[in-house]
Amino acid sequence: GNSVTQMEGPVTLSEEAFLTINCTYTATGYPSLFWYVQYPGEGLQLLLKATKADDKGSNKGFEATYRKETTSFHLEKGSVQVSDSAVYFCALRSNAGNMLTFGGGTRLMVKP
Amino acid sequence: NAGVTQTPKFRILKIGQSMTLQCAQDMNHNYMYWYRQDPGMGLKLIYYSVGAGITDKGEVPNGYNVSRSTTEDFPLRLELAAPSQTSVYFCASSYSSGDTETQYFGPGTRLLVL
Repeated sequence: GNSVTQMEGPVTLSEEAFLTINCTYTATGYPSLFWYVQYPGEGLQLLLKATKADDKGSNKGFEATYRKETTSFHLEKGSVQVSDSAVYFCALRSNAGNMLTFGGGTRLMVKP
Repeated sequence: NAGVTQTPKFRILKIGQSMTLQCAQDMNHNYMYWYRQDPGMGLKLIYYSVGAGITDKGEVPNGYNVSRSTTEDFPLRLELAAPSQTSVYFCASSYSSGDTETQYFGPGTRLLVL
């Protein structure tokens, strides 16, 4: 079956530090890949997505590249802000169905 | 648009009690979903619906029931609450099931079963 594995948190960074949150997946076929963000007390929001190999999704300074050869979709940001503190979820949707499979989430804490 | 709304925000139940978690969306989305989020875990799909009158099981449906009488509403029913159902429940909706389709999430309902 499909699965998504994320690095465990929490990840604690100082403001303006470089961020990487690792995500790897197992899936049949060619899934679409997503990063969702959950701010405290809120539901999940789509951050970015990529639908085929070598695509790069980007939004709000965050980027992730769909790497089929390493089955990865790592999230990066060059300079984090305190307002980026949240839980980040990597997810996939296989082309065989309409269900999202989520990773366990990674909590990011950014200190001023 | 209010997007996806959920009520209540928080509820404490005793073992064996029943309750309905409400979910509504005003985006005219065909697809709606219920997930549960356990501490430190990703979201798991409980049930989903592809349109009014049509529902189907997700990954973890046991102990839950759903109905979809209108496009807007998708309530989740717990008949006999158990401690294992302590979780945060998220409702989501999307326009279609395309592989790039974005799901929009509600703010969640935190449920504690004691």
